[in-house]
Amino acid sequence: NAGVTQTPKFQVLKTGQSMTLQCAQDMNHEYMSWYRQDPGMGLRLIHYSVGAGITDQGEVPNGYNVSRSTTEDFPLRLLSAAPSQTSVYFCASSRDRRTGELFFGEGSRLTVL
Amino acid sequence: DQQVKQNSPSLSVQEGRISILNCDYTNSMFDYFLWYKKYPAEGPTFLISISSIKDKNEDGRFTVFLNKSAKHLSLHIVPSQPGDSAVYFCAASGSGNQFYFGTGTSLTVIP
Repeated sequence: NAGVTQTPKFQVLKTGQSMTLQCAQDMNHEYMSWYRQDPGMGLRLIHYSVGAGITDQGEVPNGYNVSRSTTEDFPLRLLSAAPSQTSVYFCASSRDRRTGELFFGEGSRLTVL
Repeated sequence: DQQVKQNSPSLSVQEGRISILNCDYTNSMFDYFLWYKKYPAEGPTFLISISSIKDKNEDGRFTVFLNKSAKHLSLHIVPSQPGDSAVYFCAASGSGNQFYFGTGTSLTVIP
């Protein structure tokens, strides 16, 4: 039972480069989300999805794009990386958009030089 | 503006004693609250939750208390064990589709 799988676990980018963080879950959860964790800031929501074909912005969406073509996958795209996007990124899924517990992936540590 | 606040960045407790972690929120529309535990280099894991229709929820050594009038919740761990050493996040949700997290409290349980 894999749960929520994120790849890659580590990535170093140069300013202006693009990349995609992959997230897949095998629990048939409708709700998926991306968070970033920064020192002193806790976990902040970037984007979320309540089902295939539906996405919406969270607290800090600027510089990130998402899509949800299947229930299982929710990739996060950085189109032009900036040093301010250096962070640890977590993907999470839940069976219930409000009261269900979130299941988190192990995180992806991104450094933008 | 941070809607969920954890004002204590760190807490140290002796093994066997009680750990009390606090969380405050500002949005009166929040009606569901959760606590997560996070070890280094791992994702957060769900610990315990409480609905706003309750003021207490207990699960083994973990109890969450909710004071709606004060917009305050707390997590009690009794007795504390060294394996409880981790960062604890509180989170809240309301009628929307978002969970709002606090900044975390790092708990160290001293053997």
